[in-house]
Amino acid sequence: EDKVVQSPLSLVVHEGDTVTLNCSYEVTNFRSLLWYKQEKKAPTFLFMLTSSGIEKKSGRLSSILDKKELFSILNITATQTGDSAIYLCAVESSGGGADGLTFGKGTHLIIQP
Amino acid sequence: NAGVTQTPKFQVLKTGQSMTLQCAQDMNHNSMYWYRQDPGMGLRLIYYSASEGTTDKGEVPNGYNVSRLNKREFSLRLESAAPSQTSVYFCASSEVRLETQYFGPGTRLLVL
Repeated sequence: EDKVVQSPLSLVVHEGDTVTLNCSYEVTNFRSLLWYKQEKKAPTFLFMLTSSGIEKKSGRLSSILDKKELFSILNITATQTGDSAIYLCAVESSGGGADGLTFGKGTHLIIQP
Repeated sequence: NAGVTQTPKFQVLKTGQSMTLQCAQDMNHNSMYWYRQDPGMGLRLIYYSASEGTTDKGEVPNGYNVSRLNKREFSLRLESAAPSQTSVYFCASSEVRLETQYFGPGTRLLVL
């Protein structure tokens, strides 16, 4: 059974801090790993990672995948209150009768002013 | 406690056929959602149900109908499937609307 584990489950930091969110996975026939930001609406897409060691960057957010150790991290630098959200990690697999996305439980990030 | 379950896991339809995707949750959640996931587009909300007996359109409702059968179950129906509806469909639930959503394993639908 495919499994995605995110840590920590919740995190409270002050504005301006840097945070690192973790996602580890065990899936059959890995295809890609995706990060989403979930605020008070449907989750919004952040990154899709398919190759190891290649950092994807968007503003203050960046993410990298390690396919050998089976994990990914999402970094947010100079955090702002608008970064407060639940960050979801999902892994896409193919074949093995279990095609689709497996979601982690999410990390609830709270940025205090 | 199974969380959110979806059936079937995989389905192939011909254009014009109809089918119903089933979703059930055992967490006593009030709100339930149907999304579709297309490559490079992220999740898009099709319909949601804030509470038993209510349903509302999301971002991409055309071609779909939903039914909140009871608090546990929320089904998605395609009356006349089209190739553009080839996608992976996710059901989710949350205790109340817009709070943390828990996702099912997904249904991969191929419309030929």
